[in-house]
Amino acid sequence: GAVVSQHPSWVICKSGTSVKIECRSLDFQATTMFWYRQFPKQSLMLMATSNEGSKATYEQGVEKDKFLINHASLTLSTLTVTSAHPEDSSFYICSASTDDSYNSPLHFGNGTRLTVT
Amino acid sequence: EDKVVQSPLSLVVHEGDTVTLNCSYEVTNFRSLLWYKQEKKAPTFLFMLTSSGIEKKSGRLSSILDKKELFSILNITATQTGDSAVYLCAVGTYNTDKLIFGTGTRLQVFP
Repeated sequence: GAVVSQHPSWVICKSGTSVKIECRSLDFQATTMFWYRQFPKQSLMLMATSNEGSKATYEQGVEKDKFLINHASLTLSTLTVTSAHPEDSSFYICSASTDDSYNSPLHFGNGTRLTVT
Repeated sequence: EDKVVQSPLSLVVHEGDTVTLNCSYEVTNFRSLLWYKQEKKAPTFLFMLTSSGIEKKSGRLSSILDKKELFSILNITATQTGDSAVYLCAVGTYNTDKLIFGTGTRLQVFP
């Protein structure tokens, strides 16, 4: 089955530093990947849509200068949390589908738990 | 505004019980409804439903979609402690690639 690998699984960083999270599709190509954020006991909230070779599309209320997304290849998208603050602490999850048709389900990475101290 | 509502928010049952989880939606240009199971990490895909009245089944889990009444149910029979998780419902539309998620139902199954 389709595998999406996310790295790291967890990271602790100090306020003001930047953190990069990688999302890779291991056995398929993904022209589109999605980045979600999840607070404890809440549902997934879409942050942005990452498009290979073009700029990401951000959801309303998500700061694009703070959450930098780069989709440099068909198998890799990265999310960089810049100048992290404690309120950025959360669970970040990426996802991708095996093809670009509207009828394919998303496959998720295992998520990255970010703690900003 | 597109929305997906799941109920109940939380459910506690004993092993062997049967549970029904509900997902209703209000979206424009409905495309598909998906069910995911989320344990400690990221959600894992369970079912995708696009047509009304056709039950999808996998072991003790089954799901069906009603596009007229705009809802889906996820049934789990003979529950086991390993079924304890948050079950997420998500809806896709033809307007966009992204999914709209419900808040999830937290299921706890006790021995």
